[in-house]
Amino acid sequence: GAVVSQHPSWVICKSGTSVKIECRSLDFQATTMFWYRQFPKQSLMLMATSNEGSKATYEQGVEKDKFLINHASLTLSTLTVTSAHPEDSSFYICSARDGGGGETQYFGPGTRLLVL
Amino acid sequence: AQSVTQPDIHITVSEGASLELRCNYSYGATPYLFWYVQSPGQGLQLLLKYFSGDTLVQGIKGFEAEFKRSQSSFNLRKPSVHWSDAAEYFCAYHPPGNTPLVFGKGTRLSVIA
Repeated sequence: GAVVSQHPSWVICKSGTSVKIECRSLDFQATTMFWYRQFPKQSLMLMATSNEGSKATYEQGVEKDKFLINHASLTLSTLTVTSAHPEDSSFYICSARDGGGGETQYFGPGTRLLVL
Repeated sequence: AQSVTQPDIHITVSEGASLELRCNYSYGATPYLFWYVQSPGQGLQLLLKYFSGDTLVQGIKGFEAEFKRSQSSFNLRKPSVHWSDAAEYFCAYHPPGNTPLVFGKGTRLSVIA
């Protein structure tokens, strides 16, 4: 099946620093990628939808200046958490939809962010 | 509004017993439906999906799901549960167009000896 990778798998940073998370579709082209945030024992919360070559669409309540999303190619999207604070600590998961006409979303393994 | 409901927050079954996880959706058109599984600290793995055709779909790890339009349901089943099946299970619906999945809140499965 299709594989989506994320890097890093976990990161610890100091408050005020920025953290970049990469999401790659390894064996398919993803015209659309999604970024989710998941709190403990809860379902996934959609943060934004990104289409290759265009600006991301953010969900209500998600600060676009804080969570910068770039989808520069058909296999790579990045999420940058700018000036991270402890409340940004969470599990971030990306997902990619096969651009070859498929309707299936494939998920990355997630990135655990801890801001001290 | 479109929604996916998983009525059971937590289910505990004995190893070797059968399992059924419930999922109901609210949308009028022919749905695209999915079941994903998430182990602790991991991403989501696709178990199976329904787009059209045979209403009984087979997935990985011995799981199957049946689409019942009359009941707006897409319940997940496994005849004999293994301890490694303990995880969080999410039902999801894909609305028309290039839109993200709509997830249920998930059902946590515990397996006891």
